[in-house]
Amino acid sequence: SQQGEEDPQALSIQEGENATMNCSYKTSINNLQWYRQNSGRGLVHLILIRSNEREKHSGRLRVTLDTSKKSSSLLITASRAADTASYFCATDDTGRRALTFGSGTRLQVQP
Amino acid sequence: DADVTQTPRNRITKTGKRIMLECSQTKGHDRMYWYRQDPGLGLRLIYYSFDVKDINKGEISDGYSVSRQAQAKFSLSLESAIPNQTALYFCATSDSTAEGYTFGSGTRLTVV
Repeated sequence: SQQGEEDPQALSIQEGENATMNCSYKTSINNLQWYRQNSGRGLVHLILIRSNEREKHSGRLRVTLDTSKKSSSLLITASRAADTASYFCATDDTGRRALTFGSGTRLQVQP
Repeated sequence: DADVTQTPRNRITKTGKRIMLECSQTKGHDRMYWYRQDPGLGLRLIYYSFDVKDINKGEISDGYSVSRQAQAKFSLSLESAIPNQTALYFCATSDSTAEGYTFGSGTRLTVV
């Protein structure tokens, strides 16, 4: 079963604009992680936010977590064509021993 | 060399054939995972292992088996391949769930 559901499923923006992706989940979590996947390649870990954290930054990435709403958002600022990829949220669910992945958001950044 | 190596990268096989996908890692991680990716469905967990004596089924283990030959090697087998097992298969490793996974480049499997 899918825990995380990303929104939107697809997003197309111009270079230089900000991209925001959202993730909703259903159960209690220990942490939430975001991954990037270039077309057909392996996933790359971007950032992890713990359940007691509300916001985290890494370079041009900003992640927020609202455990009361069971939701997270990933903001990519000043996007570049090289940011074109699929982005997945994954939850480390309380009581489970492996990450549960959402269905992803496909981001297209037009040069 | 990549931290997590999957072989083969691509494979076409016939219905009913047995096939093994291999994964090896140089991260020194104890935890290894096999996921399957289908278009629009994200990644789904097939099996995972926390050490050579700890093998656990994931949410879609039917039709699959695994072998943890060593800390660094975790193989996935399809005993009798069927067309709906056509997918992209990923191996991943981690030190714990409190940090991110390291993924291999994937094996694209087509069952005809």
